[in-house]
This record gives sequence, structure tokens and C-alpha cells, in this order.
Amino acid sequence: DTAVSQTPKYLVTQMGNDKSIKCEQNLGHDTMYWYKQDSKKFLKIMFSYNNKELIINETVPNRFSPKSPDKAHLNLHINSLELGDSAVYFCASKARGYSINEKLFFGSGTQLSVL
Amino acid sequence: GESVGLHLPTLSVQEGDNSIINCAYSNSASDYFIWYKQESGKGPQFIIDIRSNMDKRQGQRVTVLLNKTVKHLSLQIAATQPGDSAVYFCAEPRMDSSYKLIFGSGTRLLVRP
Repeated sequence: DTAVSQTPKYLVTQMGNDKSIKCEQNLGHDTMYWYKQDSKKFLKIMFSYNNKELIINETVPNRFSPKSPDKAHLNLHINSLELGDSAVYFCASKARGYSINEKLFFGSGTQLSVL
Repeated sequence: GESVGLHLPTLSVQEGDNSIINCAYSNSASDYFIWYKQESGKGPQFIIDIRSNMDKRQGQRVTVLLNKTVKHLSLQIAATQPGDSAVYFCAEPRMDSSYKLIFGSGTRLLVRP
């Protein structure tokens, strides 16, 4: 079974549309993340939720709205898509706690292409 | 299609040779570092970590070296195999109000047969 799964794997859409990416983890983790990877492979954190509560919001445009219906799911909704939103979006999770040596587990990514 | 790789540092090695991937950091207070491997079409995957009270840590075919004096760490891969072809990131957790993993810019490793 896949530990962190994202859907869809590929998403091609027109500018101005609204789209969602879903993420689920079956690891029993409490904390989930969204990362964005640009065309230069640079990975940047966007959001983090701990047990359904937003704890990190890294100055992301408010067109991006994460939603966590339960601690196993963290979805990302994007309104009014722009060309610059084209990237690969990764979901990740980790166990609860604040130990510095906890590991993040990543999904396989959603490649978003805005035309 | 992808235009990645044009700006990403690339290391090309012969299969069977050793690979050394480098990473510099700026915060002298940093005390924990992690290496991640990202294969094509996949998410980053944990390889090995090291705390600042160590200068070397070994795993299976991989060794991480930490030089705190010059704020540099490296990932050494012994007897590089085709399956090692990937992008490698050093990463550092930050503990502000919460746990946040900050990634370096990445190095692409290409293994020539």
C-alpha cells in the first residue's frame, strides 16, 4: 500500500480554472504538508496542518486553500489558476511531535500544467 | 516537456565509481541535516541524516560527511549504480513555531553505463 498518495498524478488545465489536488496518508501521521517544486527542482514548503489545524502558511497567494477534513487527508484547492502555478506539488506527512530528527514521507507528486 | 536540468548542477559518473555530492549551509547554529533522493517522477525519499555532534555517518553504500568549520556537508555514494541516478537534496529542519523542512537546491546525478 502506498503510504502517501496523491491524485491526480497529472493535471492539465486552462488559466482561470479552479482545481483541486487530493492527498491521503495511511501512516497514522498527525502532520501533513504541501510543497511546490518548480522547473529548477527547487522545493518550497507551502502549508502544514497538524491534526486538521493549519500551523504553517508560507505567504502563499490566497488563491491556494488547503483543507484537511481529517488528519489522514490534506487537499489543496487552487482558484483562478495562473501560468506561474505550473509546477509539481508534493504532499508529505510526518508523525506528531517536535523532535528534530523526524522524517517526512512524500507522495509521488502532482504535475500541474496551466495553459 | 521539462526544461529541468538546464539550471540544476549535474554530476556525471561512470558506473562503479564513487560519487560525491556537496552541499553548503549558512546557519552555523544548524544541528541536523538530512539527505533526500528524488528519482524521476517520484517524491523525495530519505537516505541518511547526521547530527552536528558527528562529522561522519555511514549507511549502506552511502556516507555523509559534515564539516562545521566551513559549513559544508557531502554525500558519498560508493560503487555508484544506475539506480542511483536521481536528484539529491540536502535538507535542514527548522523548528520555529513548528517543524519545517527546508531543502537545498539539489544536484542531479547521472550514472553512465
